[in-house]
Amino acid sequence: GAVVSQHPSRVICKSGTSVKIECRSLDFQATTMFWYRQFPKQSLMLMATSNEGSKATYEQGVEKDKFLINHASLTLSTLTVTSAHPEDSSFYICSARLGDTQYFGPGTRLTVL
Amino acid sequence: DAKTTQPTSMDCAEGRAANLPCNHSTISGNEYVYWYRQIHSQGPQYIIHGLKNNETNEMASLIITEDRKSSTLILPHATLRDTAVYYCIVRGDYGGATNKLIFGTGTLLAVQP
Repeated sequence: GAVVSQHPSRVICKSGTSVKIECRSLDFQATTMFWYRQFPKQSLMLMATSNEGSKATYEQGVEKDKFLINHASLTLSTLTVTSAHPEDSSFYICSARLGDTQYFGPGTRLTVL
Repeated sequence: DAKTTQPTSMDCAEGRAANLPCNHSTISGNEYVYWYRQIHSQGPQYIIHGLKNNETNEMASLIITEDRKSSTLILPHATLRDTAVYYCIVRGDYGGATNKLIFGTGTLLAVQP
């Protein structure tokens, strides 16, 4: 149980385009999901907390207009990287909360050319 | 900021117990200790968590000192597949101010054949 999936697993896009990443809780409902970013050889950095039916809460320094988060259902949250640039290339990881525990997805590798 | 201190790296022989220490001297009474691990290029995997009592599950044991200022994660019989970065994280109640999983740098455990 407590499986979280992400789609796509990897994406390559041109600079200036927008990319949408989906995060799904497959066998449970999650009112709260989280989005993290991880650069090479670094730890995970929390970007935002996504609550179903309400606006996401962004961490300090994360541009909410650039990283659009939508949590429209209890099993799906999406992260859209708008007007992506090479510096946005990173490993994006979501997690979903079930009770006291967060379960993580497998991650999405974004490469912006 | 991460509220835990872990060694940067550790080695363990295959088949032996791996004991990973974590210091969390500023932990508050309502904060839990969580352990996750991340195998290269994957999302973090939940291992175990506890408040003040020792905990055991099919993956590991968590030993928390009586003063709660430190803990040890024990993998009883390490295998090569246990090679990963192990994160010790202190998290408060989800309704409170310290309710986020904030990742530090973790311990790279290398299991040697």
